[in-house]
Amino acid sequence: GQQVMQIPQYQHVQEGEDFTTYCNSSTTLSNIQWYKQRPGGHPVFLIQLVKSGEVKKQKRLTFQFGEAKKNSSLHITATQTTDVGTYFCAGLGSNYQLIWGAGTKLIIKP
Amino acid sequence: DTGVSQNPRHKITKRGQNVTFRCDPISEHNRLYWYRQTLGQGPEFLTYFQNEAQLEKSRLLSDRFSAERPKGSFSTLEIQRTEQGDSAMYLCASSLAGGDEQYFGPGTRLTVT
Repeated sequence: GQQVMQIPQYQHVQEGEDFTTYCNSSTTLSNIQWYKQRPGGHPVFLIQLVKSGEVKKQKRLTFQFGEAKKNSSLHITATQTTDVGTYFCAGLGSNYQLIWGAGTKLIIKP
Repeated sequence: DTGVSQNPRHKITKRGQNVTFRCDPISEHNRLYWYRQTLGQGPEFLTYFQNEAQLEKSRLLSDRFSAERPKGSFSTLEIQRTEQGDSAMYLCASSLAGGDEQYFGPGTRLTVT
């Protein structure tokens, strides 16, 4: 079946350092969505990318969708303590269901 | 509308008991999804509804699990003869249409002892 792999599983950064998480799909996706889940919370929608090669920015967050619509990345510049949480990608597959990555947990080192 | 709500927020039950959870989606949303999430994992799809019709059910879902959305508004998820492996966070989400962003409720945390 369709799968979305997300790496790394964890990333420890010092506050102020950058953070990146990557998603790769086994098949072409109709779109890809990104969610953030704070510790003890539920997933919250961040953004949706639809077009091949699309790049979108939200303040310090940059989201990219690959040319083949099989991979995506989220990059956070100059992390802050408020960025702590787990970031999930979710790709829309051929059956119009979201296929979720396992998430990347962002941990800010004290 | 304040978003997706779920009740109860926590449920502790003994193995073998039945439990039922409720989800109230955003009122104008046609799609309603149930997910299960365990620690350190992403949401695992269980089933979804388009209005009152249950359109897909995960192959991973055993016959002990059943969901309804009788009037196309709120939904219930029932687990019969609970097992310790059913312990997880059960999340409900809704969306306006398929492929749109999903809005999640706070979840129901189930602990089976």
